[in-house]
Amino acid sequence: DTGVSQNPRHKITKRGQNVTFRCDPISEHNRLYWYRQTLGQGPEFLTYFQNEAQLEKSRLLSDRFSAERPKGSFSTLEIQRTEQGDSAMYLCASSTTGGGYTFGSGTRLTVV
Amino acid sequence: GESVGLHLPTLSVQEGDNSIINCAYSNSASDYFIWYKQESGKGPQFIIDIRSNMDKRQGQRVTVLLNKTVKHLSLQIAATQPGDSAVYFCAENQGAQKLVFGQGTRLTINP
Repeated sequence: DTGVSQNPRHKITKRGQNVTFRCDPISEHNRLYWYRQTLGQGPEFLTYFQNEAQLEKSRLLSDRFSAERPKGSFSTLEIQRTEQGDSAMYLCASSTTGGGYTFGSGTRLTVV
Repeated sequence: GESVGLHLPTLSVQEGDNSIINCAYSNSASDYFIWYKQESGKGPQFIIDIRSNMDKRQGQRVTVLLNKTVKHLSLQIAATQPGDSAVYFCAENQGAQKLVFGQGTRLTINP
């Protein structure tokens, strides 16, 4: 197991386009988290899954954002009708229940 | 709302010296804190954690101190090395392992 994997590493998109990111967690981890990090700031919680169930969503997750984890393994985060304010690093992390996080290297999104 | 913050955005130290990075938190009900190191282009990497029933915890070259009276957390790095250059974040566990991060402190090492 090579840790948490995120793809793509970088994404440049035009404003108004849809983008989708993928996260492959550590295989035995049942919890998966998405965070957003803007330059110079700490990561901000977006949402998390326990197995395939999405248990909590931040108010930061507007209706243009949707996350799924259909089989309780990998997860996708989709942003529809991207805006320049969506430019950020999107981080995925996974853990066991009660265990510590392992973060991926993130997907850096630039909306032009 | 409740937040975790840091006193200083940057810290510059001489190689071999000890580094101390500080963090203030405001949620007195928080019971678990973590320090992360983030290098450029990478995700946060766990350094050390501490629960609220402890005042101090030591790892390899790192020590975390928790002062619940003043809601203050610090990370001490002994004999700082060039590889310690990074941004350091404290984070507070707010239920179901959801973390609230502070702004971060950039640590730079002078040769």
